Amino acid sequence: SQTIHQWPATLVQPVGSPLSLECTVEGTSNPNLYWYRQAAGRGLQLLFYSVGIGQISSEVPQNLSASRPQDRQFILSSKKLLLSDSGFYLCAWSSQGNNSPLHFGNGTRLTVT
Amino acid sequence: QQPVQSPQAVILREGEDAVINCSSSKALYSVHWYRQKHGEAPVFLMILLKGGEQKGHEKISASFNEKKQQSSLYLTASQLSYSGTYFCGTEVMGTSYDKVIFGPGTSLSVIP
Repeated sequence: SQTIHQWPATLVQPVGSPLSLECTVEGTSNPNLYWYRQAAGRGLQLLFYSVGIGQISSEVPQNLSASRPQDRQFILSSKKLLLSDSGFYLCAWSSQGNNSPLHFGNGTRLTVT
Repeated sequence: QQPVQSPQAVILREGEDAVINCSSSKALYSVHWYRQKHGEAPVFLMILLKGGEQKGHEKISASFNEKKQQSSLYLTASQLSYSGTYFCGTEVMGTSYDKVIFGPGTSLSVIP
């Protein structure tokens, strides 16, 4: 069966520090991969999605970047965090094709201080 | 491009019914529905494809009106476990396949 791993579960970082969140998927090949962010009490904002290795689509201009160095690995990064980067970051995967549900990881709660 | 959801919040007593609506200004390939409990990841409920189909999952069902680009989620005889925030996600025609944009969510609270 397919599983998605996301870490760390919680993170507290000072303003201006770098960020690296990692997500890996097991049990499937060539998945679509997504990063969403959820501010406290708010909806799910699509940040990046990827349909293949090295293929990244950015949805929102910001100081974040994403990379997909391997088929089932998706990394979210920042060189310098802002207070507004605080939130709940969710990685998700789906199978290729437009009828596929998203399967979310357990999320990373990031607090920028 | 973000779909609109209504109502923003609803409170139900156990056993009551509720309808959550999702609408888009764009033509859609599909509509997804997810439920999120506080502090947890969203969980998939169902997906509806263009063609006006209706799906059901126990006492939760949904419909998709392709002409109006609207979807409705129906919760019947609500249970305490139905509490959470419900999100619709849409895949817009003419954009990349697999790009799912979520609405702002509907908070549903079921009380005894």
